[in-house]
Amino acid sequence: NAGVTQTPKFRILKIGQSMTLQCTQDMNHNYMYWYRQDPGMGLKLIYYSVGAGITDKGEVPNGYNVSRSTTEDFPLRLELAAPSQTSVYFCASSPQGAQAKLFFGSGTQLSVL
Amino acid sequence: DQQVKQNSPSLSVQEGRISILNCDYTNSMFDYFLWYKKYPAEGPTFLISISSIKDKNEDGRFTVFLNKSAKHLSLHIVPSQPGDSAVYFCAASPGANSKLTFGKGITLSVRP
Repeated sequence: NAGVTQTPKFRILKIGQSMTLQCTQDMNHNYMYWYRQDPGMGLKLIYYSVGAGITDKGEVPNGYNVSRSTTEDFPLRLELAAPSQTSVYFCASSPQGAQAKLFFGSGTQLSVL
Repeated sequence: DQQVKQNSPSLSVQEGRISILNCDYTNSMFDYFLWYKKYPAEGPTFLISISSIKDKNEDGRFTVFLNKSAKHLSLHIVPSQPGDSAVYFCAASPGANSKLTFGKGITLSVRP
């Protein structure tokens, strides 16, 4: 009963480093999303995908890239990490669009120092 | 510009009493509203939703009310329990396949 699995749970990066946040879901959902949550703020959409091979930008895409080669996986790539990318990152999936409930992973706490 | 506003950052209530969490929105195109609950170190989980064609939706102890003319919705929890202590996010979307816009969240503390 895994649902949405995110790895790693915690990571510290130096400025300028790169990394990939992994996200996989086993519910055969078409829609997948990446959100970030800054302290005291709501969730901001970074990128989303409506199916394998299809991705699109959300509200705050700068500094990130995604790919969706399979239904299950939706990795988020950070290139040239900056302190402004210090945040908690959540991956989510849903069987259809926004009006179906989203299933979230447990998050990745990322610090860029 | 915040399209979904949760103006009170926190709320504290006594166990057994009613908790009322408020949410306001500015985008008149929003037609579907959801509440998510989040515990520390976990992802948000879906709680309850309401379509703009309704003004009330109930699920056990949780009821969401929608006032479209005031662009306001509220989540009522009755009776409140200590396990309800969490951050509650209000979210809205303007269409079935549109993206969700989240509020900043309200931290609810239920005192035993």
